Amino acid sequence: DVKVTQSSRYLVKRTGEKVFLECVQDMDHENMFWYRQDPGLGLRLIYFSYDVKMKEKGDIPEGYSVSREKKERFSLILESASTNQTSMYLCASSMGRRNEKLFFGSGTQLSVL
Amino acid sequence: AQSVTQLDSHVSVSEGTPVLLRCNYSSSYSPSLFWYVQHPNKGLQLLLKYTSAATLVKGINGFEAEFKKSETSFHLTKPSAHMSDAAEYFCVVKGSEEDNFNNFYFGSGTKLNVKP
Repeated sequence: DVKVTQSSRYLVKRTGEKVFLECVQDMDHENMFWYRQDPGLGLRLIYFSYDVKMKEKGDIPEGYSVSREKKERFSLILESASTNQTSMYLCASSMGRRNEKLFFGSGTQLSVL
Repeated sequence: AQSVTQLDSHVSVSEGTPVLLRCNYSSSYSPSLFWYVQHPNKGLQLLLKYTSAATLVKGINGFEAEFKKSETSFHLTKPSAHMSDAAEYFCVVKGSEEDNFNNFYFGSGTKLNVKP
């Protein structure tokens, strides 16, 4: 089975801190995604990557950046955390261009105080 | 642009009774549609998908969904609810080549509560 691992289940940070959320997948998938999940809003795409060193903005990229130096790892960076970035962050991966099945990690609940 | 609307934020059923979770989509082309389930403190898992083959799609754990183009709907059903079905369910439409094929548009979710 595909495993998508997010480094932290819960994270508490202070306003203005730089925050790194890490995601690793073990199935050699080309595509990786970062979503945030907020009650009543479903999942919204922040960034995605379809290859090493490639990245594309999703629907809500403001305040975030990403890094994909290796195929298996996709990092989400909050340059200066703000309270409105308190949320559940979900990483996902999928294979190839047909890209019809997303495999999700368990999520990181980030609280920014 | 693509979008999905889940008509109920919460649904409550008794164990053993049918489940109906409603989803309407908006798409300018023939869409790929999915249902994902999220159990508490777990990642999302694919339940089933429709990709222009049979309009009645069977998924895991006894769930199925019917694609109705005339109604732009993709409702999720199960004949008999089990306690383990209590979770949040998301209806999803996939972006097109012209739009952003890598994007999946999620509904706002429906929380299913199953009473003993």
